[in-house]
Amino acid sequence: KAGVTQTPRYLIKTRGQQVTLSCSPISGHRSVSWYQQTPGQGLQFLFEYFSETQRNKGNFPGRFSGRQFSNSRSEMNVSTLELGDSALYLCASSRDRIHEQYFGPGTRLTVT
Amino acid sequence: DQQVKQNSPSLSVQEGRISILNCDYTNSMFDYFLWYKKYPAEGPTFLISISSIKDKNEDGRFTVFLNKSAKHLSLHIVPSQPGDSAVYFCAASARNNAGNMLTFGGGTRLMVKP
Repeated sequence: KAGVTQTPRYLIKTRGQQVTLSCSPISGHRSVSWYQQTPGQGLQFLFEYFSETQRNKGNFPGRFSGRQFSNSRSEMNVSTLELGDSALYLCASSRDRIHEQYFGPGTRLTVT
Repeated sequence: DQQVKQNSPSLSVQEGRISILNCDYTNSMFDYFLWYKKYPAEGPTFLISISSIKDKNEDGRFTVFLNKSAKHLSLHIVPSQPGDSAVYFCAASARNNAGNMLTFGGGTRLMVKP
């Protein structure tokens, strides 16, 4: 079974730009969650989508948004990038809640 | 306020010995706990989980213990192998939460020496 895939793996953007990251979950998994990992804040929950609906949202500004498509693939968008948005963005999928989440390799975003 | 804490940033163990990684939590609503292993430039890999209705769960060399009264869980790796060297994260979830949201600890870097 293929794992969670994320594209692109690496990205360099300029402050003020916007970026879209993509995540394809494991086949059969309907829940997709996004996390941000930084050296200072660790792994922090951004949001979760299930059946194309946002089910949970973490404590991030509105510049961070996402969506999920009918095939469970998900995208995450960050608008008006700031230097502090430089991080590893991880996507995780699971069959449903209270099931183990399986993570993709992440997208390393650098904002200059 | 950190709801999940891993107070040891690093741990060094000799190959073949036991590794014990600890995790404390403050939110009494947490009722499902997981351990993940992470190598550099990779996403976290799921290791083992435990529900709050249990106090122990075992999978091969990995055992997780949960002490609900102390709000403490630990991961035991026996015997430790050099390939176990990685950063280990504990994570917690609240069943009454509408969906899937993990709260992670800060991680413990395990180094297993040959």
